[in-house]
Amino acid sequence: AQSVTQLDSQVPVFEEAPVELRCNYSSSVSVYLFWYVQYPNQGLQLLLKYLSGSTLVKGINGFEAEFNKSQTSFHLRKPSVHISDTAEYFCAVSASAGGTSYGKLTFGQGTILTVHP
Amino acid sequence: DARVTQTPRHKVTEMGQEVTMRCQPILGHNTVFWYRQTMMQGLELLAYFRNRAPLDDSGMPKDRFSAEMPDATLATLKIQPSEPRDSAVYFCASGLLVKTSGKLLGANVLTFGAGSRLTVL
Repeated sequence: AQSVTQLDSQVPVFEEAPVELRCNYSSSVSVYLFWYVQYPNQGLQLLLKYLSGSTLVKGINGFEAEFNKSQTSFHLRKPSVHISDTAEYFCAVSASAGGTSYGKLTFGQGTILTVHP
Repeated sequence: DARVTQTPRHKVTEMGQEVTMRCQPILGHNTVFWYRQTMMQGLELLAYFRNRAPLDDSGMPKDRFSAEMPDATLATLKIQPSEPRDSAVYFCASGLLVKTSGKLLGANVLTFGAGSRLTVL
């Protein structure tokens, strides 16, 4: 089974400042990793994903994340945030091989990013 | 853009009533999920279907909840009887796992519906 821990429940930041949202995962098998974003009163949208290859992945809206296998982390970063980035961000993991649970996504508890002017 | 359609978007009901939520996954997708989101518990997995077969419903209260896929274009989540603690936003999501040489491959990238907000009084 897989599990995800998002280390910060809330992250306040000023506009144009950099931000990092932290995510650690636990799994006994290789994994795929995802970040989803949820704007108020909406469903979740895919921000970016790590499947294989380069450990630095770029997503939409200027976000990027780095997969660190030794630290079992997949932290999300943006060098300069905008007011419109205010949302809740979810890290998710799924096993990359076999079994009935293949394809099942396990989500973290979410991190609320609030960007202040 | 293809989208996952959920109905109803909002539902207010009284305790003890039956509630049915419906989801139309994206055409061609072979995985369907039901999640429940609350302030206290966050996003909880209720059920996971692959090729219409239920593979994981361990997160679902079995005495009152049931999830089915009568066909590939419809997934349902039913609560009977409903209780105030069931008040939440229920999300349906669908994805596509590719099968090659008999093996499932690739990552399951989910598309979420807009959610059904349930209030049980």
